[in-house]
Amino acid sequence: GAVVSQHPSRVICKSGTSVKIECRSLDFQATTMFWYRQFPKQSLMLMATSNEGSKATYEQGVEKDKFLINHASLTLSTLTVTSAHPEDSSFYICSARWQETQYFGPGTRLLVL
Amino acid sequence: AQSVTQLGSHVSVSEGALVLLRCNYSSSVPPYLFWYVQYPNQGLQLLLKYTSAATLVKGINGFEAEFKKSETSFHLTKPSAHMSDAAEYFCAVGYTGGGNKLTFGTGTQLKVEL
Repeated sequence: GAVVSQHPSRVICKSGTSVKIECRSLDFQATTMFWYRQFPKQSLMLMATSNEGSKATYEQGVEKDKFLINHASLTLSTLTVTSAHPEDSSFYICSARWQETQYFGPGTRLLVL
Repeated sequence: AQSVTQLGSHVSVSEGALVLLRCNYSSSVPPYLFWYVQYPNQGLQLLLKYTSAATLVKGINGFEAEFKKSETSFHLTKPSAHMSDAAEYFCAVGYTGGGNKLTFGTGTQLKVEL
């Protein structure tokens, strides 16, 4: 139980384009999902908290117009990296909360050329 | 405010030896504590969690951790290391009412040698 999927697992895009990443809870409903960014050999950095039916809460220093989050249903949250640049290249991981525990997706590797 | 300290960014053990990964936390309210494991290019997998029930918590793959309030610690152990245990391990702290946000430690890379 408590399986979270992410799609795509890997994406390469050109600078200036937008990329959408999906996070789905497969066997439970999640009113709250989280988006993290992880740099090589480092820990996870929380970007934002996604709440179903309401606006996401962004952490300090994270540009909300750059990283658009939509949590339209109890099983789906999306992160759109708008006008991506090479510095946005990273490993993005989502998690979904169930019974006081966060369950993580497999991550999405984004490379912006 | 909450924080997590993982002592030792790299730990190396021999196959069959005891695994001990250290985690100390700081929290002004009763914490929830978690250990996650991450294999290369993958997300995090929950190993075990402490949420104010039994202080000795057993998880998957033979791992366990003991919550010690007096020492503000939640160290992860496994009696006998296996090659497949080689991975990055993260300790995290959260609490009820905190929006369930987690604060992660910096991680410990476990290497298992023959």
